Formats: sequence, structure tokens, C-alpha cells
Amino acid sequence: KAGVTQTPRYLIKTRGQQVTLSCSPISGHRSVSWYQQTPGQGLQFLFEYFSETQRNKGNFPGRFSGRQFSNSRSEMNVSTLELGDSALYLCASTEGWKGRYYEQYFGPGTRLTVT
Amino acid sequence: QQQVKQSPQSLIVQKGGISIINCAYENTAFDYFPWYQQFPGKGPALLIAIRPDVSEKKEGRFTISFNKSAKQFSLHIMDSQPGDSATYFCAAMRGDSGGYQKVTFGTGTKLQVIP
Repeated sequence: KAGVTQTPRYLIKTRGQQVTLSCSPISGHRSVSWYQQTPGQGLQFLFEYFSETQRNKGNFPGRFSGRQFSNSRSEMNVSTLELGDSALYLCASTEGWKGRYYEQYFGPGTRLTVT
Repeated sequence: QQQVKQSPQSLIVQKGGISIINCAYENTAFDYFPWYQQFPGKGPALLIAIRPDVSEKKEGRFTISFNKSAKQFSLHIMDSQPGDSATYFCAAMRGDSGGYQKVTFGTGTKLQVIP
């Protein structure tokens, strides 16, 4: 099976712009989670989607949003970018059903730089 | 209550030695404790995980020791190799009937194994 894929891998944006990141989970996985990774804050949970519904949300401002499509692919959007949004954004997928939902598989991430 | 404290921040071990990374948590509702390994430019990869009803789990050279009463768990890498040089994250998760709650990660330990 192909792993989790994320596009683009690298992105440079200017303050105030918005950005959309994409994640394709492992085939058959219905749950997609997003994380922000920075040297200062480490890995922080953004949100999780299951069957097109946001099931869990971390402590991030409303500028961070996401959605999931019927094929389980997910997008994450950040509006009005700030310098502090520069980070590695990671997507992880799981099968999402009870019994096997704990095993997360991460993608390679999208490196976002805000200038 | 959602914190997971990880130590040390960095670790240098001789080839063939034992690497030990420790984590402590506060929330007794956590019921799944995975360890992830991350190489530069890659997303974290699940290494090994344990549930609190087990005191130890071993997979190859990697062992998790779990102390429920002390709310601590640790990763032991036996016969450490230069290829083990990476950043290691512990995490804690709590599941519910519909999936799992947001994951809390430790701050990471950068391991360097020198020949």
C-alpha cells in the first residue's frame, strides 16, 4: 500500500496570505489528523477528521481550518498567515475504527515558510 | 493535565550501548502510549506502543517499560546503532467509543549514536 502523501512538500508564503495543504491518507484509512511541528513548541495536534466530520480539535485559532472529502483526502487551510505559522505541517492517517484506530501513519509533511 | 514530559532533550550514546528515554504523564485517563522515531526531513514513524495493563513490551532491540503507579514510561534501545540516530517522541492518547482523543506528544529527544 502507498503511504500517506502530502502536497506540496515545500511552500513559501507572505504574511497575510492564505495557504491550502493537501493530504492523501493510506487507502482504506478513514481518519486523518493534522499536526504542526516547530522547534519551539514540538508536535501539536490541530484537528482530526473522520468520515468528512471534524471529530477532535486542538487549541489553535480559527485561522486554521480543515475539511475531508468523501474519498478521505483532507485539506488544511490557514488564512491570514503570520510569521509564527512557519512550521512543518504533518498529516497522519488511521483506519479510524475501534480496535485499530490508535496506529497513526504520518506523511512526510509540508514545510511552510512565512516571510 | 494534558502534558507529557520527556527527558533528556538530547542523548549521545556509544555504538552498542543502551539508550534510555523517559516520559512522565499526568492524566490517568490516557490508555495508549506510543513512541515515534523521526529522521530529518521525514514524518514520525510509529516504533512501538504499550497499553497501561502491561508493564513491559519488547520488539527487537526496542523495549517500553511502563510504571502505572508512577505515571512514567520509558524507551530502551539495546545495542544502539548509528542508524538509530534520530529524534524520538513519546506520546499519550485517550480513546473513546468513536475513535481517539487528541494526542499529546513529548518534546522529543535527539539521539546520536557514535561509532
